[in-house]
Amino acid sequence: GQNIDQPTEMTATEGAIVQINCTYQTSGFNGLFWYQQHAGEAPTFLSYNVLDGLEEKGRFSSFLSRSKGYSYLLLKELQMKDSASYLCAVRPDNTDKLIFGTGTRLQVFP
Amino acid sequence: DAGITQSPRHKVTETGTPVTLRCHQTENHRYMYWYRQDPGHGLRLIHYSYGVKDTDKGEVSDGYSVSRSKTEDFLLTLESATSSQTSVYFCAIKGHTYEQYFGPGTRLTVT
Repeated sequence: GQNIDQPTEMTATEGAIVQINCTYQTSGFNGLFWYQQHAGEAPTFLSYNVLDGLEEKGRFSSFLSRSKGYSYLLLKELQMKDSASYLCAVRPDNTDKLIFGTGTRLQVFP
Repeated sequence: DAGITQSPRHKVTETGTPVTLRCHQTENHRYMYWYRQDPGHGLRLIHYSYGVKDTDKGEVSDGYSVSRSKTEDFLLTLESATSSQTSVYFCAIKGHTYEQYFGPGTRLTVT
């Protein structure tokens, strides 16, 4: 079966660093994706990892360990506008479909 | 902006009525997807298309049908809407490295 786990909710303080974890068990692996979704809006694509290691893109970084079935999204210098849900998605075996986790709702406080 | 629009953006309908949602894209993408998003379930794939007249089922396809008669339009039809189909529906297209880009969504309420 396909399973993707993320914490349901997290809180953090403006200016801090937060790490959102994602673990997956899927039939094969061909890439992991992170999305941001503000309340009432569509998900927007943040990052893509297919090889082990860290991908940095401004204040956001994403890490992947394929052997552990594990990824995290690291958000630095948190801003109020980072309050949103963060969705982890995996592309399983050679397929053009993505499997999404249920998302982590992040609240940033002043 | 991947040039994706959805219509209508909001709809309220009664149980048993047919409903069609439209997804329109302007950039000639081959792959298009329909998802529903519900609290506690995340995004779940309903149907997808890999070309004109080429479609396949996702994990929650019961009660839904799709059609794609031209590249730019992907239609989702609820033949006889039920209250369990109250949801937010997102259309998406596939990018160059398998990431997907989403339309603005349609909020459907079935009373």
